[in-house]
Amino acid sequence: AQKITQTQPGMFVQEKEAVTLDCTYDTSDPSYGLFWYKQPSSGEMIFLIYQGSYDQQNATEGRYSLNFQKARKSANLVISASQLGDSAMYFCAMRDISSGDKLTFGTGTRLAVRP
Amino acid sequence: DAGITQSPRHKVTETGTPVTLRCHQTENHRYMYWYRQDPGHGLRLIHYSYGVKDTDKGEVSDGYSVSRSKTEDFLLTLESATSSQTSVYFCAIGGDSPGYSPLHFGNGTRLTVT
Repeated sequence: AQKITQTQPGMFVQEKEAVTLDCTYDTSDPSYGLFWYKQPSSGEMIFLIYQGSYDQQNATEGRYSLNFQKARKSANLVISASQLGDSAMYFCAMRDISSGDKLTFGTGTRLAVRP
Repeated sequence: DAGITQSPRHKVTETGTPVTLRCHQTENHRYMYWYRQDPGHGLRLIHYSYGVKDTDKGEVSDGYSVSRSKTEDFLLTLESATSSQTSVYFCAIGGDSPGYSPLHFGNGTRLTVT
């Protein structure tokens, strides 16, 4: 089974609107960490946000928030007030004990922000 | 950039030739990683290192070897490059802090095997 599943290969959003990028994960470990990375067309991998499995509140970083639903094993990224510069590839990733504490990635979602 | 430098940034090589990619960090992290990125696969772990001379295989290690003789340098070698190894290679550091700290990535090396 895939450890990280991103079912949206590509998405469009209108500038200034909010968008949700989906991520589901699979682990039986009680302790794990979930991450989102952004990859713009220039190619670098930029860390955006982190959610720990024991965190009581959803993580937020500026316009990024993580909608963490533990029972559903989902960790969706919400980008508020989209900007043209948000156009990029977005990757969800997880570290857990059963993967030897290594970072495992989903296949990514390409987001295009329309003016 | 979290103090990570990958070299070269671009390389074109022929099938059957050896290739070495270098990752250099100035952050003194114990943990270093090599990933490859291919369309439809996201990033997949090739090899990783938890310290000098302490390396192990990731999920796609066939055809690759690594070495780490100094904390700051992690080398990835393709002993005999094949076209299937055409990819973008990323080095990453971090994850050795308590808890689940994020990894930070270099800018990548685009390798083309003809």
